[in-house]
Amino acid sequence: QSVLTQPPSASGTPGQRVTISCSGSTSNIGSHDVNWYQQLPGTAPKVVIYDNNQRPSGVPDRFSGFKSGTSASLAISGLQSEDEADYYCVTWDDSLNGPVVFGGGTKLTVL
Amino acid sequence: EVQLVQSGAEVKKPGESLQISCQASGYSFTAYWVGWVRQMPGKGLEWMGIVFPADSDTRYTPSFRGQVTISADKSISTAYLHLSSLEASDTAIYYCARGRHFYDPLWDYWGQGTLVTVSS
Repeated sequence: QSVLTQPPSASGTPGQRVTISCSGSTSNIGSHDVNWYQQLPGTAPKVVIYDNNQRPSGVPDRFSGFKSGTSASLAISGLQSEDEADYYCVTWDDSLNGPVVFGGGTKLTVL
Repeated sequence: EVQLVQSGAEVKKPGESLQISCQASGYSFTAYWVGWVRQMPGKGLEWMGIVFPADSDTRYTPSFRGQVTISADKSISTAYLHLSSLEASDTAIYYCARGRHFYDPLWDYWGQGTLVTVSS
């Protein structure tokens, strides 16, 4: 059972916009910035969004992040087949759950 | 070019110990934290702990404290994850990753991962 709650799966067709949610509490998302990682099959994770809504250089602007209260979300617009991957949210947690907590991950399928 | 290169896959028996290495290059090893993340087969990511090589300051997630030891040798730019009294449930891929601050889970470079299999 992960401290941060993500839907286990999401899907979309090429060109669509998909949103992945991440729900937490006041001790984690409610108090700290959220980062998002993409993990392609058989590879190490890669950050796609940091500090809630910032994109590292090299990440397409199709990726965007949003945070409000104790929830965050990752949106991918203009979905492409190469976006098929697992996505994880992560943040700091002030409670005994911490200090760093991940969401359970969302498997994104491009239909 | 920043690189984190981990030691190779291991097969161990229950009760044995294991040390995984993560050799850094292409940046100042003592200016960044190095963390470790576990991924059990078919499962998500779990943060285990982190070390600051400059002074060996180490932080652990409560569930891993006492179960693993994280260290670093700044003379050879290498971080380590030591696992003792291995059990089948330690079977996983272990990743090292570089971070600027221990309190910020923003890791910009990752090792390739080390697969550990524990089986009798």
